[in-house]
Order: sequence, then C-alpha cells, then structure tokens
Amino acid sequence: DIVMTQSPLSLPVTLGQPASISCRSSQSLVYSDGNTYLNWFQQRPGQSPRRLIYKVSNRDSGVPDRFSGSGSGTDFTLKISRVEAEDVGVYYCMQATHWPDTFGQGTRLEIK
Amino acid sequence: QVQLQESGPGLVKPSQTLSLTCAVSGDSISRGDYYWSWVRQPPGKGLEWIGYIYYSGITYYNPSLKSRVTMSVDTSKNQFSLKLSSVTAADTAVYYCVRGRRDLDYWGQGALVTVSS
Repeated sequence: DIVMTQSPLSLPVTLGQPASISCRSSQSLVYSDGNTYLNWFQQRPGQSPRRLIYKVSNRDSGVPDRFSGSGSGTDFTLKISRVEAEDVGVYYCMQATHWPDTFGQGTRLEIK
Repeated sequence: QVQLQESGPGLVKPSQTLSLTCAVSGDSISRGDYYWSWVRQPPGKGLEWIGYIYYSGITYYNPSLKSRVTMSVDTSKNQFSLKLSSVTAADTAVYYCVRGRRDLDYWGQGALVTVSS
C-alpha cells in the first residue's frame, strides 16, 4: 500500500497567521491518465470529513480561498494563508492513484 | 443537495456480522456517475478505506479487509450496504458512507458501531 506521511502531526497556529501541512507519498501519485489524485480533507471536531481540495490544487465549492493546495509527484502541501477559528480540526491528505486508496495520519490544527 | 444517511445496529457482538445501510437522496445511484464507498474511523484515530461499489454491483475491497467484507447495492431503494463478518473489538469505529471513490465529495454523518459482548 502507498504510505502517506503528513507533517507536522500537531500544528498550533496564532489566529491570522499562515499554516502549512506537508504530505509525502511513498510512490509517485501521477496516474496513467496524467492526473494526480491527491485530495485534502478537513474534519472539524465532531463532524464528518469534508473535502477541501481535489487533484492537488482544485478547491471545492464553498471552500474559502485562504486554502490552497500544491505539489507534484510525491510531495504535496496544503496552505492556509490566514488561520481563522473555524479552521480548527484535523486535516488529512488522501491518495486515490493506487488501490487501495490511503490516507495520511492526520494533522491536528489548533489555535495558540 | 446530496445527502447520505447510515443506519444499522450500534452494538455488535464479537464474531458476529456488522451490517450497515446507506440511504442516498439528491442523487441516483443507478445513474452510474459515481462509485459509492465506505470509510471507517476508529475512535480517536485516522481514516481507513473499506471499499466501494458501482450501481452494477461491481465491488472493490481493501485487501486488508477483503476476506470479511461484502457490499451490495439496491438501486430500487437508492441505497447501498456493507457487511463485515467475524468482527472483533478492532472493528469498533465510526463508519461513513461516501459518494465517489476518487471524488469523496459527499459524506454521511457516520454511524458508530461498537463491538462488545
């Protein structure tokens, strides 16, 4: 199985400051169709996961533009330009290039 | 608006079979636009793929669970189901039904299933 490694696992951030989460895969996530199937999810406390970003950098409808995704191959990043209180939760990357699809361990974002 | 709702027993005894159903509204499984998935999350832990099913009944199971998993679909009721046999305490988790495979764009609220005697 593809191993997805996130860092850091815990991310204390001051309100209004930027935040960055790294996700690395054990193999390239470029699929034979040329797409890279790397998603980012946010899970707020007590809620179901919510997709934020799909195929590396495409932001879902309704997701604030302070969230952005980037990367290629095996290295990916989720950035929040200015953290707000509603951003508290756990963030997961997920690869869907190689079956079985796998998730990262999660990064817990908290407000300092 | 697409909505998914899990239902089933919240408590299952060890060695028995866990059964859950996901009712879909706001979309039609039989349109064939999406796969339909199950993902689980043990308490306080991360997310794990269980597998997914297409409206035709084609299934893909996580190899780690394949010997114990059965998924099915009922297009007349617009719902799909999960069975996990020979459960142990390690199967205690919140089980989510989700639209899509690579998409995973709509999630149910989750159903907590506890395995305990």
